[in-house]
Amino acid sequence: NAGVTQTPKFQVLKTGQSMTLQCAQDMNHNSMYWYRQDPGMGLRLIYYSASEGTTDKGEVPNGYNVSRLNKREFSLRLESAAPSQTSVYFCASRALGQGGEAFFGQGTRLTVV
Amino acid sequence: AQSVAQPEDQVNVAEGNPLTVKCTYSVSGNPYLFWYVQYPNRGLQFLLKYITGDNLVKGSYGFEAEFNKSQTSFHLKKPSALVSDSALYFCAVRAPLAGNMLTFGGGTRLMVKP
Repeated sequence: NAGVTQTPKFQVLKTGQSMTLQCAQDMNHNSMYWYRQDPGMGLRLIYYSASEGTTDKGEVPNGYNVSRLNKREFSLRLESAAPSQTSVYFCASRALGQGGEAFFGQGTRLTVV
Repeated sequence: AQSVAQPEDQVNVAEGNPLTVKCTYSVSGNPYLFWYVQYPNRGLQFLLKYITGDNLVKGSYGFEAEFNKSQTSFHLKKPSALVSDSALYFCAVRAPLAGNMLTFGGGTRLMVKP
């Protein structure tokens, strides 16, 4: 009964380094999302994927890329990390259907120094 | 564009008193509205949702929310607060016309004092 699993849970990067945040869900959901959470800013949508093979930009996509590898997995890549990308990142998935609620992973706390 | 506003950064209530956490939204068309709760160092947990039908919806842990279309609001309420309700609460909206985008408010920290 894993739900949405994110790896890693914590990460420290140096400015300019790259990394990929992994997300997998085992609920057979169609839609998947990446958010970042910053103090006083709430959750801001980075990218989302309505279904396997499709991705769309959210509110703050600059500096990020995503891959919907298959129905289960949706990864977020930082090509050249910047201190402004220090944040807590959450992955979520949602079932097909208009009223379906989203389920969230436990988050990845990323620090860029 | 759709948006959600949570006008209070923090709400303080005494244990046993009723609580209200405010949320207003702006969307095109009929909204789907959600409340989530976040405990420290955890992901968000779903509390309740409004899709259609009765304006008063009931959710987990004794919480309820009232959808008011004319005021574009979806306030979260509980008749009697518990210390364990202390957490960060998020309101979210999704509009069918906006596809799959789920937009969150800035969050409200609820502090329940014994």
